[in-house]
Amino acid sequence: KAGVTQTPRYLIKTRGQQVTLSCSPISGHRSVSWYQQTPGQGLQFLFEYFSETQRNKGNFPGRFSGRQFSNSRSEMNVSTLELGDSALYLCASSFSGDGYTFGSGTRLTVV
Amino acid sequence: KNQVEQSPQSLIILEGKNCTLQCNYTVSPFSNLRWYKQDTGRGPVSLTIMTFSENTKSNGRYTATLDADTKQSSLHITASQLSDSASYICVVSPYTGFQKLVFGTGTRLLVSP
Repeated sequence: KAGVTQTPRYLIKTRGQQVTLSCSPISGHRSVSWYQQTPGQGLQFLFEYFSETQRNKGNFPGRFSGRQFSNSRSEMNVSTLELGDSALYLCASSFSGDGYTFGSGTRLTVV
Repeated sequence: KNQVEQSPQSLIILEGKNCTLQCNYTVSPFSNLRWYKQDTGRGPVSLTIMTFSENTKSNGRYTATLDADTKQSSLHITASQLSDSASYICVVSPYTGFQKLVFGTGTRLLVSP
């Protein structure tokens, strides 16, 4: 059974650019959550999607957005990148919104 | 406010020794409490999951305990190995599963040879 797949694994962007990260959940999982992790900050919740609808949202600026497709795959987009957006972005999927399985993450570096 | 606090923030132990990590939470009621292990630069991997009615759960050398009355959980690692060096994160899921998970900031464990 394949796990949660995140692509790309590493990404380097310059300030002002935008970026799109992808997450393929475990087959059958309809809930996908996104998290930002920076050193010393722990995991910060970005948003959660369930059946193509955003169900929860964290306290991040509007530059951070996401969407979920009918096959449950999800993307998150960050526009007008800032240096402080450099982080490990993690995606987690769940069948019922209870237990979560995380992907390996996308390491974004903004220069 | 739902919070999860972990202690210590970091820990260094010698290979072969045991250690115990602590997690205190204020989430109530809650559905389950999980301990995750996260290697540097990787995603967290679930070690144990306990519902409010469970007291202990083991996964190899990892044993988690839960006291729902005092809202405390601990993760005990037996006979530590170098590969145990990682961050350990306590995560509490509120009773209504569709609410946001509440994460602790983690304990960074270094096992020294």
